[in-house]
Amino acid sequence: DGGITQSPKYLFRKEGQNVTLSCEQNLNHDAMYWYRQDPGQGLRLIYYSQIVNDFQKGDIAEGYSVSREKKESFPLTVTSAQKNPTAFYLCASSFDRATNEKLFFGSGTQLSVL
Amino acid sequence: QKEVEQDPGPLSVPEGAIVSLNCTYSNSAFQYFMWYRQYSRKGPELLMYTYSSGNKEDGRFTAQVDKSSKYISLFIRDSQPSDSATYLCAMRIQGAQKLVFGQGTRLTINP
Repeated sequence: DGGITQSPKYLFRKEGQNVTLSCEQNLNHDAMYWYRQDPGQGLRLIYYSQIVNDFQKGDIAEGYSVSREKKESFPLTVTSAQKNPTAFYLCASSFDRATNEKLFFGSGTQLSVL
Repeated sequence: QKEVEQDPGPLSVPEGAIVSLNCTYSNSAFQYFMWYRQYSRKGPELLMYTYSSGNKEDGRFTAQVDKSSKYISLFIRDSQPSDSATYLCAMRIQGAQKLVFGQGTRLTINP
């Protein structure tokens, strides 16, 4: 079955630690996205990539980093510089890199701070 | 003021009721409008997509866009307990890469 796989489902971070969230898709989509969701808030865009080896900052990129070495993979690293990392993180992809309405989402990773 | 405002609810209605979910927006440049449904601790899934004023129907769901009032709605007829979820509106300016999401409305349909 085609889809987006996020792992792990739950992740705990110690202070000063970097952690990496995995996102893999087998939909052959060009564009991939990372969103952050906090309770009672809409989705906020962290980073997006329209093509391999290229990515752009979203609205809240500070404290995060990404890479896009393969079309299928778009990992997100939450660095120690992100002081409030507790949130639900969602990875998404879309077929058309120019328009991104029809997003396909993974099941998310809940990140918490120990 | 947020670009997109959505009543977070929670909204609780009996099974079979007609549900109305709404979003208002301030930027008249928004041209593409979507509704996503998100079950608890899952990723959102696209429910409806429209790009013009008027109504679009898909089964029990109707999306309505009123660009003159900067107002969009999602109607659910004959609501079912399986419709219990958070509903997120989203919109985009033509040529822009970014989607702007509302806060989401948590809906519960009671059997």
